[in-house]
Amino acid sequence: AQSVTQLGSHVSVSEGALVLLRCNYSSSVPPYLFWYVQYPNQGLQLLLKYTTGATLVKGINGFEAEFKKSETSFHLTKPSAHMSDAAEYFCAVSDQTRGQGGSEKLVFGKGTKLTVNP
Amino acid sequence: DTAVSQTPKYLVTQMGNDKSIKCEQNLGHDTMYWYKQDSKKFLKIMFSYNNKELIINETVPNRFSPKSPDKAHLNLHINSLELGDSAVYFCASSQGGTVVSYEQYFGPGTRLTVT
Repeated sequence: AQSVTQLGSHVSVSEGALVLLRCNYSSSVPPYLFWYVQYPNQGLQLLLKYTTGATLVKGINGFEAEFKKSETSFHLTKPSAHMSDAAEYFCAVSDQTRGQGGSEKLVFGKGTKLTVNP
Repeated sequence: DTAVSQTPKYLVTQMGNDKSIKCEQNLGHDTMYWYKQDSKKFLKIMFSYNNKELIINETVPNRFSPKSPDKAHLNLHINSLELGDSAVYFCASSQGGTVVSYEQYFGPGTRLTVT
């Protein structure tokens, strides 16, 4: 079964500093991986996803993530943090049940809360 | 225009009551989901429907019954509410392809508090 581990439930950075949020996955098949962001009192929004192809994936708001099969990792980075990046970030892996009626089960990590200090 | 909407946004009720949460998407998607986010922010899938047909049914108590009157709507009815049902419930939808992975679009959530 697929699973995701997010290292660090809280990460605090200064504005302008590098953001690094860690995600390791376990999957019995080549994984489809996602990063979602949740702003306070809102739903989740997709930042980026990896399915196949290029292992460095660029997303919205300047975020990117690199799929490293040898390390079973999909860490999220942003070169320079902005105050508006403060949110909860979730890494997820798909169990790829799409063949069954087109539904896809996402398995989420426990989330990392990012705080950006002025 | 809101892509995935849920009503109500907040729901406070007493133990033993029955309540419903409604979800509508105007994206033309075939697949809809219900997720539960607990107090520790852990997010877990409960159900998914594709074209009104139940596809994913996780180990959820049978007090929870999803209903999809059409592919744009997926409602969640909860009977005999318990304290442990307090959570934020998210509806989501996706295009539901059988080959590639499509983005799931989430609603704003319904915060259910059972007292």
